[in-house]
Amino acid sequence: NAGVTQTPKFQVLKTGQSMTLQCAQDMNHEYMSWYRQDPGMGLRLIHYSVGAGITDQGEVPNGYNVSRSTTEDFPLRLLSAAPSQTSVYFCASSYRRTSGGSDEQFFGPGTRLTVL
Amino acid sequence: GESVGLHLPTLSVQEGDNSIINCAYSNSASDYFIWYKQESGKGPQFIIDIRSNMDKRQGQRVTVLLNKTVKHLSLQIAATQPGDSAVYFCAERTSGTYKYIFGTGTRLKVLA
Repeated sequence: NAGVTQTPKFQVLKTGQSMTLQCAQDMNHEYMSWYRQDPGMGLRLIHYSVGAGITDQGEVPNGYNVSRSTTEDFPLRLLSAAPSQTSVYFCASSYRRTSGGSDEQFFGPGTRLTVL
Repeated sequence: GESVGLHLPTLSVQEGDNSIINCAYSNSASDYFIWYKQESGKGPQFIIDIRSNMDKRQGQRVTVLLNKTVKHLSLQIAATQPGDSAVYFCAERTSGTYKYIFGTGTRLKVLA
């Protein structure tokens, strides 16, 4: 299994440009999520999905869109990039358990985005 | 809003000693807590988790303690090794949701 993969690893954008960060997992996980991590800070949840066709907002959703057309893929779209979106972006996935067991999230390697 | 925080931003310990990393949380509705380890340039890696119906859980060289009375979470690492050097995050999840809130992290430095 490849686990959680993210592309690209690095990206530089100009203010106002749009782009899509790709995330894929091959573990048949129902739950997928996107986080951003700014220097010296913890991760902040942008959007998440509990299954194909279902998405919801996290803590910092503004400026980002997501969709979940398949179980495997969960792309994150930046509509009009701003310097404030310069960050490292992590995608994660896990099983969705209602009780018991571990809801361990598996994280991808991250995408380092710079907006000029 | 509700948040998860850490008391110490940096912890230095001698190799072989035990490490204790602390975390305070403020949301009494949180029912699931996780510790992650993040090495430089990598994504977070799951270490151990605990649900609110427990107060202690042990793994290999790690123990998580949960004190719901004072809303405190701790991670104990036994016989700390150089490979344990990393940033450690605690995270909480509110009951009935899939929204995780992460703390700001503690950097653990293992001294030879």
